[in-house]
Parts: sequence; C-alpha cells; structure tokens
Amino acid sequence: SQQGEEDPQALSIQEGENATMNCSYKTSINNLQWYRQNSGRGLVHLILIRSNEREKHSGRLRVTLDTSKKSSSLLITASRAADTASYFCATILRGSYQLTFGKGTKLSVIP
Amino acid sequence: GAVVSQHPSWVICKSGTSVKIECRSLDFQATTMFWYRQFPKQSLMLMATSNEGSKATYEQGVEKDKFLINHASLTLSTLTVTSAHPEDSSFYICSASMPRGTTSTGELFFGEGSRLTVL
Repeated sequence: SQQGEEDPQALSIQEGENATMNCSYKTSINNLQWYRQNSGRGLVHLILIRSNEREKHSGRLRVTLDTSKKSSSLLITASRAADTASYFCATILRGSYQLTFGKGTKLSVIP
Repeated sequence: GAVVSQHPSWVICKSGTSVKIECRSLDFQATTMFWYRQFPKQSLMLMATSNEGSKATYEQGVEKDKFLINHASLTLSTLTVTSAHPEDSSFYICSASMPRGTTSTGELFFGEGSRLTVL
C-alpha cells in the first residue's frame, strides 16, 4: 500500500526558479528518502533524512522533515532543464527494511 | 560504486511465453534485492523481496507462480514472468541494498528497469 503521498502531482516551472515538492506519510518511520526517475529509466537516490533530523542539504537540494506533521519537503534551487524528471519520496517504516514509495511529482523545467 | 545492472532493458514477447529478467549487483554483494512493477505515470509497486538462498517474500496480490524469483547468488536475482499475457506488460525494476552491518543506511540502488511488452 502507498505510504507516501507527494504534492503536487505535477509541477511546471521556468529554468532558474525554485521547485518545492511535498510528501506526507502515515506511520512512524526510520528515515525518508527522495529519489529521482527520468522517463523510462531506473531510480536514482538523491538524499536520505533520518527521523531525528530536521533538515539536510546536498548541492542544490534541501530536504526538510517534520515528524510531528508526518511530512517532508524537497526543494530544488535554481532549477535547470536537466532537473526535469519524476521525484518520489520513500519511507522505511520502523522495524522494517522495505522502502515504500509515494506516487511521485512530475517536474518539468522549461528552458 | 553500488551499481545495479538489469537486463534486458526491453523485451517483446508473444502471449503465453516466459520471460526472464536479470538483476545484478556489480560491485557489492546484495543479500536482499527487491522487484518492483511500475505502470505508466504511476509509482513503483513492490512485488517481492528476494533474499539470497531463500524463498522470495511476495506482496499481497502478487502471484508467486506467475512471477518466479530466484536469488541464487549474492550478486544475482532473476524474475521470470511465466506464461506472459498482455496485462503483464509493464516496467519492471529491481533494486538492491547493502548488507546489514556495512555502511548501509537503507538506501537502495536501482537497476535501469526492463520494459516488457506482451503481444
């Protein structure tokens, strides 16, 4: 069953703008991860944030986690056309080792 | 490091035939591999968890006799779609995790996926 729900389902922005995607989940987690998928390809791990962390940065990526609201956000700053892809959040539940994926946000960055 | 290779990347077959998809961890030993199915514009749905040397654990609603999984070595898992039908057409993706006790944090490494089209 789906654990994470991304919002929005689709996002279209101009190159150079920031893109923010949100993810909500339902039960307690060990960590939350964000993945990227180019059309017709496999997934690439972007960033992992643990349940005891509130914010994490990696290059142009910034992830926040609010365990009280059971939500996370992924911010991509200064977007590029090459950032066009689908972005998925995924969670590992406490006591489990399986990743459960959300439905994804399809990001289109217009040059 | 941490490369997962999946083969074939695409396959077209006739209805009733069987298709085997391979998933290899190239530079690490993967005690656990996962098989997902993804329909167009949808998320990944976990089909089964494959542990080396033991039977796969299938998710609810996934037919184990239809989707045969073999994890014979620490670097190879295979998914065989038996007696394929057009409704089995989909994008199948495997992933692998580092063994517990390593620097693994739960991050998964994905293959590039295999697109199956059953005519």
